[in-house]
Amino acid sequence: EAGVTQFPSHSVIEKGQTVTLRCDPISGHDNLYWYRRVMGKEIKFLLHFVKESKQDESGMPNNRFLAERTGGTYSTLKVQPAELEDSGVYFCASSSMLVGGVEAFFGQGTRLTVV
Amino acid sequence: SQQGEEDPQALSIQEGENATMNCSYKTSINNLQWYRQNSGRGLVHLILIRSNEREKHSGRLRVTLDTSKKSSSLLITASRAADTASYFCATALANDYKLSFGAGTTVTVRA
Repeated sequence: EAGVTQFPSHSVIEKGQTVTLRCDPISGHDNLYWYRRVMGKEIKFLLHFVKESKQDESGMPNNRFLAERTGGTYSTLKVQPAELEDSGVYFCASSSMLVGGVEAFFGQGTRLTVV
Repeated sequence: SQQGEEDPQALSIQEGENATMNCSYKTSINNLQWYRQNSGRGLVHLILIRSNEREKHSGRLRVTLDTSKKSSSLLITASRAADTASYFCATALANDYKLSFGAGTTVTVRA
């Protein structure tokens, strides 16, 4: 069974540019999450999808971030325009049930560097 | 604010020694999970311990949970160079959809 896949693994962009991160969850997992780790600090929740619906996007930093989940399958996270403070590692995770009951499976992350 | 806080922030040990790190949290939880992140790699799930469990083992890993103290510990026995990584605890509330992570403990195992 394939795990959670994220693309790209690394991205270096200039301030003001746009970047789109992609996450393919484990097949059959309705719950998809985005997290971010900035500058070696704690890993912070960004948002949660159940199928194609956003359940909670309270962790999204600002309106420069837009997440979508087409047809309840893969998800994209777009940053437009990117700022220096957006640099960090973006993780995607999926689970079959809410994580209060089961483990979440994480992807390898996308390391975003804004210069 | 984040739920889990790991202690210590960094740990350096000799290969073969044991490594212990702790996690404290603030509110009642349904389960607590430990993850590992090797440099440049993704988060790997290690162990999930539920609120009604006190101890769990997986290979060279031992996790304890003390809900009265709202704390957990992760013990790695007979450490290896490959155990060099950052270790995170993450808590989940019942019927919740998100994990709350701490800043992690960076473990360095010297050969």
